[in-house]
Amino acid sequence: DAKTTQPPSMDCAEGRAANLPCNHSTISGNEYVYWYRQIHSQGPQYIIHGLKNNETNEMASLIITEDRKSSTLILPHATLRDTAVYYCIVRGYGNKLVFGAGTILRVKS
Amino acid sequence: DAMVIQNPRYQVTQFGKPVTLSCSQTLNHNVMYWYQQKSSQAPKLLFHYYDKDFNNEADTPDNFQSRRPNTSFCFLDIRSPGLGDAAMYLCATSRDPGQGHNEQFFGPGTRLTVL
Repeated sequence: DAKTTQPPSMDCAEGRAANLPCNHSTISGNEYVYWYRQIHSQGPQYIIHGLKNNETNEMASLIITEDRKSSTLILPHATLRDTAVYYCIVRGYGNKLVFGAGTILRVKS
Repeated sequence: DAMVIQNPRYQVTQFGKPVTLSCSQTLNHNVMYWYQQKSSQAPKLLFHYYDKDFNNEADTPDNFQSRRPNTSFCFLDIRSPGLGDAAMYLCATSRDPGQGHNEQFFGPGTRLTVL
C-alpha cells in the first residue's frame, strides 16, 4: 500500500473548519484513501473513505485531487471533542490498515 | 448497541508472568484484529483471525499468541511479558475484507503495565 505524509500537528479554532491535508503521491489506481481518528485513550474510529470522488458523511468531507496524489479531510465546524490524532491511510481493496504517524489536531476555544 | 468490548481496561503484570487480554464483539464480524500501540506511536497490527484462520504479521514476536474459540471472542496471550511489551492493546473487528470497504470497529483498548 502507498505511503502517506501528514503534518505532525495542527491547531484549529472552535467552530471553524479544520482542513487536514494528506499526501499520497504513490497511490495506485485501485487504492482507497481512508481516514480514522483516535481520541486520547480511546480506540481509533473510522471517519470516511474515498477512491476518486469527493465524499461527505455526517462527520466530515473528503476532497481528493484529480490526480489522486493528495487529499484533504474537512471537519466543517470543529468542536473541542474533535481534538484527536487523525490518520490518513491508503489501502488496497481488502488489505490491512497500516497506520502512519498521523496529525495531532488541537481544537482551541 | 453493537460493539467491541475489551477487558480489563487496565492490566498490570510482572516481568515474565503470562497474561491474557480478552476481546468480545456483538457485531458478528468475521475478522478480529489485535494491534499494539506503544506510547506516542501509531497502532501496529500483530495478527488477525479471518473466521478460524489465524494470520500472523511477519514481525510479530513469538511471545505473542492468540486464540479465537468462537466468533464473538478473541484472546491475546503474552507468554513472558517484558518491559518493552508495556503498551495499549487494541482489538478491532470487521466484515470479510475481501468484500471491499470494510470499516474496522475498535474497542477501547487494554493498557498493559509490566513491572
